[in-house]
Amino acid sequence: EVQLVESGGALVQPGGSLRLSCAASGITFSLYNMNWVRQAPGKGLEWVSYISDSSSTIYYADSVKGRFTISRDNAKDSLYLQMNSLRDEDTAIYYCARDMIQVLITGLKHHNAMDLWGQGTTVTVSS
Amino acid sequence: DIQMTQSPSSLSASVGERVIITCRASQTVTTHLNWFQQKPGKAPKLLIYATSSLVVGVPSRFSGSGSATDFTLTITSLQPEDFATYYCQQTYTTLRTFGQGTKVDMK
Repeated sequence: EVQLVESGGALVQPGGSLRLSCAASGITFSLYNMNWVRQAPGKGLEWVSYISDSSSTIYYADSVKGRFTISRDNAKDSLYLQMNSLRDEDTAIYYCARDMIQVLITGLKHHNAMDLWGQGTTVTVSS
Repeated sequence: DIQMTQSPSSLSASVGERVIITCRASQTVTTHLNWFQQKPGKAPKLLIYATSSLVVGVPSRFSGSGSATDFTLTITSLQPEDFATYYCQQTYTTLRTFGQGTKVDMK
């Protein structure tokens, strides 16, 4: 089955750390660029971070830059988000999502569009 | 950063109605604009990418149009399963940003 499954969410105190994981199955994970997106309770979606298929390119939202680190292990079909110096405002559901690949006669075309999402994992930052 | 503003923030509509949601960017995003649908307690679902390309399996009653700074998502005949929150997202810059969402509920 094609799916992404997040794990690692927990209740953590402000200033603490947490590592989220996203396990991919049913896809050739190493081909896909990946993202983390979060959603605070009752709020909209916020893109958090992006990593390219080979880990050569990484981007962060300004709100997490310097505190969060995205990484991946293609041998383990897994994506990670190391979250340090957590703040109350980091409380959210965290989703991993892959960027779409279109298969053309000429080859693969990468699109900056998140077409497969996990079910999310909940991070609560509170004392 | 590019700011994305959706309007309206919410709307009430009946089954069979035509619904139009607009999304405005604070600067040009050319055609790098995606639309998502999210239902309560569920992950978002990609509907349209690159302004107007429909994802395989998404009903043809959904369509997208626009360019530069102004975009629309149209649902030609609203169905019961379409009541949800819709988000636009620009991917023109490395810092991808979402609109604040438009909640479509039943009139």
